[in-house]
Amino acid sequence: GQQVMQIPQYQHVQEGEDFTTYCNSSTTLSNIQWYKQRPGGHPVFLIQLVKSGEVKKQKRLTFQFGEAKKNSSLHITATQTTDVGTYFCAGRQSSNYKLTFGKGTLLTVNP
Amino acid sequence: SAVISQKPSRDICQRGTSLTIQCQVDSQVTMMFWYRQQPGQSLTLIATANQGSEATYESGFVIDKFPISRPNLTFSTLTVSNMSPEDSSIYLCSVEDIQGRATNTGELFFGEGSRLTVL
Repeated sequence: GQQVMQIPQYQHVQEGEDFTTYCNSSTTLSNIQWYKQRPGGHPVFLIQLVKSGEVKKQKRLTFQFGEAKKNSSLHITATQTTDVGTYFCAGRQSSNYKLTFGKGTLLTVNP
Repeated sequence: SAVISQKPSRDICQRGTSLTIQCQVDSQVTMMFWYRQQPGQSLTLIATANQGSEATYESGFVIDKFPISRPNLTFSTLTVSNMSPEDSSIYLCSVEDIQGRATNTGELFFGEGSRLTVL
């Protein structure tokens, strides 16, 4: 079955440093989504990428979808303490509608 | 977005008992899902709740253990049967495709989750 790998599992940064999490699928995806889960909270949708090579920005967050539509990344510039949480990617296969979640990257930020 | 209410929010249960979790959505939705998230882990899809028919279960999950109901487009229940400590987890209801919404991009909306501890 489809597998979605996400690295790193944990990342601790000083406030103001940048952060990147990477997602890689074993199969070509029709789209990929990113979610953020604050500690003790539930996952909240951030963005969806659909096109090969697509890049989208949300303030300090930059999302990329690979040319082969098998990998993606989320980059946060100048992290803030409000960025703390677990970031999940979730890939949707072309053949069915199900989302497969990566294991997530837990980001902690030292003020 | 959709407002999703789950209850109970948390419970402590005895081994061998069963617990039913309810999920109520403030809008009619096409797709409703149940996920499990074990502590510090990712989200694993248990099943898709289908209105008026049997749920569609993922590999490793069976109806006898996780019976699901979905009587209408806004409500679903998940029962965790004959619980063991291994069932201690957060169970999340999620929905996709809010009916009547101008744009549905395939994003999932999640409930707050039900944290079960089985002793």
